[in-house]
Amino acid sequence: EVQLLESGGGLVQPGESLRLSCAASGFTFSSSAMSWVRQAPGKGLEWVSSMSGSGGNRFYADSVKGRFTISRDNSKNTLYLQMNSLRAEDTALYYCAKEEITFDYYYMDVWGKGTTVTVSS
Amino acid sequence: QTVVTQEPSLTVSPGGTVTFTCASTTGAVTSSYYPNWFQHKPGQAPRPLIYSTSNKHSWTPARFSGSLLGGKAALTLSGVQPEDEADYFCLLYFGGARVFGGGTKLTVL
Repeated sequence: EVQLLESGGGLVQPGESLRLSCAASGFTFSSSAMSWVRQAPGKGLEWVSSMSGSGGNRFYADSVKGRFTISRDNSKNTLYLQMNSLRAEDTALYYCAKEEITFDYYYMDVWGKGTTVTVSS
Repeated sequence: QTVVTQEPSLTVSPGGTVTFTCASTTGAVTSSYYPNWFQHKPGQAPRPLIYSTSNKHSWTPARFSGSLLGGKAALTLSGVQPEDEADYFCLLYFGGARVFGGGTKLTVL
């Protein structure tokens, strides 16, 4: 069974850092692009960052560029999101999602249940 | 900054048909943006429905279909059932960036 399990969320103060992890199983992790998507309380989905299977390509939303870093360890089947200089507006449920990117098809087909990040003093 | 817009809310009767749309401030939405559609219910992970405009995942019910309509991506739901009440989000790909629409809340009354 294909599964994604996020962890690492918690309560932090503004300006602090947090690292999220997403453990993958049931598919060839190194062959799949991966993304982080968040949902702030009462808001819609917001794409945060994506990374290619090899790790050679990384993309970020403008709202997190320069503060967040996506990475992966294909030997551990794990995706990470290092979040620095956290702000109140980063408070959200953070999902990781598996992506398939081919010439004809782009899609996110598997999602984790999410991990909650709360930034508050 | 690219903004993707959807209807904030739609209401449909059981058994009816409803169409959600997804527009971009960059201009007409084409298949090159690989439109995706997701259903999202409270407390659950988003459920992928449609990818690359009109392709269904193996688990997508037949009553859901995707298309391009008047310069927008569209999701049509036919034979609406009470359990279809949820938020629906579109996703567009802009090269390396991805942008979600604001979502549409579907009420089945």
